[in-house]
Amino acid sequence: SQQGEEDPQALSIQEGENATMNCSYKTSINNLQWYRQNSGRGLVHLILIRSNEREKHSGRLRVTLDTSKKSSSLLITASRAADTASYFCATDASDYKLSFGAGTTVTVRA
Amino acid sequence: DAGVIQSPRHEVTEMGQEVTLRCKPISGHNSLFWYRQTMMRGLELLIYFNNNVPIDDSGMPEDRFSAKMPNASFSTLKIQPSEPRDSAVYFCASWVGPRTDTQYFGPGTRLTVL
Repeated sequence: SQQGEEDPQALSIQEGENATMNCSYKTSINNLQWYRQNSGRGLVHLILIRSNEREKHSGRLRVTLDTSKKSSSLLITASRAADTASYFCATDASDYKLSFGAGTTVTVRA
Repeated sequence: DAGVIQSPRHEVTEMGQEVTLRCKPISGHNSLFWYRQTMMRGLELLIYFNNNVPIDDSGMPEDRFSAKMPNASFSTLKIQPSEPRDSAVYFCASWVGPRTDTQYFGPGTRLTVL
């Protein structure tokens, strides 16, 4: 079952613009992760934020976490064509199990 | 490190045939997962191995699906007999183990059952 739900389902932006996508989840978590999936490829880990953290940065990525609202956001700044991909949030459903959302498909137009 | 290796990358078969998907995890990773991805159901965990032992197979759809991990460097997912509804992308992911967080995914096997 999917605990995380991403919003929007799809996003189309111009190169250089920022892209923001959101993830909502239902139960308490220890951490939340974001993964990227390029077309025809496996998922690649982008960033992890722990439940006691509110914001985290990695390069052009910024992730926020609001545990009171059970939501997270992923911001990609100064988007590039190579950022075209699907982005998934994943919450730790157990010691080993990750629960993935349905994903946000991002298209960056040149 | 070559990362997680899966084979074949694409498989087209006819209903009723046996399908075997293969995975080589990252060396030194103690845990391995098999996932299935479809448009309708998203990414689903099928089975989780730790130290070559199946720990959680609650996601395996039915008896037609079986998975083995005979050693730390190889795992198989078998579907027998295959059905059109098994068409999906199957991913293998490896993991250092508990108290670490990142799972490393293979490129996937796209299975089409006609």
